[in-house]
Amino acid sequence: AQTVTQSQPEMSVQEAETVTLSCTYDTSESDYYLFWYKQPPSRQMILVIRQEAYKQQNATENRFSVNFQKAAKSFSLKISDSQLGDAAMYFCAYRSAGAQKLVFGQGTRLTINP
Amino acid sequence: DTGVSQNPRHKITKRGQNVTFRCDPISEHNRLYWYRQTLGQGPEFLTYFQNEAQLEKSRLLSDRFSAERPKGSFSTLEIQRTEQGDSAMYLCASSSPGGTTTYEQYFGPGTRLTVT
Repeated sequence: AQTVTQSQPEMSVQEAETVTLSCTYDTSESDYYLFWYKQPPSRQMILVIRQEAYKQQNATENRFSVNFQKAAKSFSLKISDSQLGDAAMYFCAYRSAGAQKLVFGQGTRLTINP
Repeated sequence: DTGVSQNPRHKITKRGQNVTFRCDPISEHNRLYWYRQTLGQGPEFLTYFQNEAQLEKSRLLSDRFSAERPKGSFSTLEIQRTEQGDSAMYLCASSSPGGTTTYEQYFGPGTRLTVT
């Protein structure tokens, strides 16, 4: 079974600075998708960024980018120019190409210091 | 697009009672998912529907849990004889095949269940 591990329960960063959240996963499959979801306090989870395993190029979405290392099974999220609205729980998630369910990590709580 | 909605948002019940939650997916989405999230943890998959067919169930979905999607639109999740260990946030998500969305799952706000 696939597992996703987020080793940083909490992170904090000064507003306008850059922060990187770590995620590793374990799978024997070669075709899969990886996601970062954001869950603000008392609000619903939203997708931040996705990466297809067959793509070598790292995904970027505005201030958010990933560092996808397939051989190392690592998928980190970099947030540039951190804003107060980035404060949330961030979850890394895995989905096999042949399946529907998402497998989530334990989450990292990100605090933005003004 | 009104997003995924869930009702109720909060439910407090006594141990042993039955509870039912409702999820309304995004209108054109044919896939619907239920997840459970306990405090400080990531969501865990419970079950998944494509249209009205329940295609996958997790081992987490004990016999006390049942989910339906009778007309392929809204879904209900019922928990019978609730236990304190059922206290959690129950999340619903929906997705649509095709395009470039890679079956991106859109989540609702969740129903927080407290069993006393």
